[in-house]
Amino acid sequence: GQQVMQIPQYQHVQEGEDFTTYCNSSTTLSNIQWYKQRPGGHPVFLIQLVKSGEVKKQKRLTFQFGEAKKNSSLHITATQTTDVGTYFCACPTGANNLFFGTGTRLTVIP
Amino acid sequence: NAGVTQTPKFQVLKTGQSMTLQCAQDMNHEYMSWYRQDPGMGLRLIHYSVGAGITDQGEVPNGYNVSRSTTEDFPLRLLSAAPSQTSVYFCASSQTQGAKDTQYFGPGTRLTVL
Repeated sequence: GQQVMQIPQYQHVQEGEDFTTYCNSSTTLSNIQWYKQRPGGHPVFLIQLVKSGEVKKQKRLTFQFGEAKKNSSLHITATQTTDVGTYFCACPTGANNLFFGTGTRLTVIP
Repeated sequence: NAGVTQTPKFQVLKTGQSMTLQCAQDMNHEYMSWYRQDPGMGLRLIHYSVGAGITDQGEVPNGYNVSRSTTEDFPLRLLSAAPSQTSVYFCASSQTQGAKDTQYFGPGTRLTVL
């Protein structure tokens, strides 16, 4: 079945440093979504990427979809303590549901 | 709008007990789903529904039943709880079927089975 691998599993950064998480698929994806889950909270939708090579920005967050539509990344510039949480990518399954990656847990050290 | 609501927030069961996790949404969404979240394993799809009266199995359906008698409600039933079902359960909804639509998640139910 469809699945994506997400790396790294954990990341600790000093406040102000940059952070990147990667999502890789063995097959071409029609689209990919990104969610953020704060500690003790629920996943919240961040963005959806659909086009090959697409780059979207939300303030300090930059999302990319690879040219081959097999990988995606989320980059945070100058992390803040409010960025703490787990970031998930999610991709379509054959049954048109969402398959979630295992997530990257980000810790920001003040 | 309350969005997606789930009850209870916490639950402790003994092995073999049954219970129903409630989920409701007030956004008139057609698609609803249940996920379980375990450490290091992300979110795994248990069951989903594309509309009232229609349900289907996800990735990990064993030990769970669902029904969708109304657009608003999508309860998840544990038939005979097992320790392996200790997890955090999230209900989600979207306007249309999941893969290209924003999923709105409920706050979750933290279940412990002893």
